[in-house]
Amino acid sequence: QMRLVQSGAEMKKPGASVKVSCKASGFTFSGYYIHWVRQSPGQGLDWMGWVNPNSGGTNYAQKFQGRVTLTRDTSITTVYMEFTRLKSDDTAVYYCATGGPTRHDSSLTATEGASWGQGTLVTVSS
Amino acid sequence: EVVLIQSPATLSFSPGERATLSCRASQSAGSFLAWYQQKVGQAPRLLIHDTFKRATGVPARFSGSGSGTDFTLTISSLEPEDFAVYYCQLRSVGPPFSWTFGQGTKVEVK
Repeated sequence: QMRLVQSGAEMKKPGASVKVSCKASGFTFSGYYIHWVRQSPGQGLDWMGWVNPNSGGTNYAQKFQGRVTLTRDTSITTVYMEFTRLKSDDTAVYYCATGGPTRHDSSLTATEGASWGQGTLVTVSS
Repeated sequence: EVVLIQSPATLSFSPGERATLSCRASQSAGSFLAWYQQKVGQAPRLLIHDTFKRATGVPARFSGSGSGTDFTLTISSLEPEDFAVYYCQLRSVGPPFSWTFGQGTKVEVK
């Protein structure tokens, strides 16, 4: 079945960058958008953006534009989220999640939002 | 940009009671409305998609309804494992499309 496995927890200083990976398995990697969602401590879910693993195309939420970059490596079915100029209030758990299909294909039947990574805690502290 | 409002932030019930959770959109939301359940320390779990369709493996006590700007998640009889935080989510039509989440409703034991 669809599975997303994320890289481990990170501790960074303010101003640094972090790159979190999300390894996909059990499904057609190019067939589904991958979204990233952030959850600050005790807070709700905040959508950051998506990458189309088929084309490499991206879309980012306005509040993260300019600081987040989503990329993919199709050879290892992995998506990356790089977040720059980190601040203390970027301390959060970052999730990747499967989205809808990237193309019209009757074999792409998985439901949008059905699979999530386990989350990666990024702590930003001096 | 559509805003999703979930109120109240917390609801208190006893096991076995019926729970009705509300999600209101700032403008007409179409049908790409989903509900997630999240327990402490876990990733969100998809319960309902496309307003009323149960995700694979979700018990029948969970149901979704609504249209336009008002959507509802109903849990017909609360089980102990249902006490959690619930989020509604909208996928905008686009292009490009995006996701928007409500701020969540915590269902706690009375």
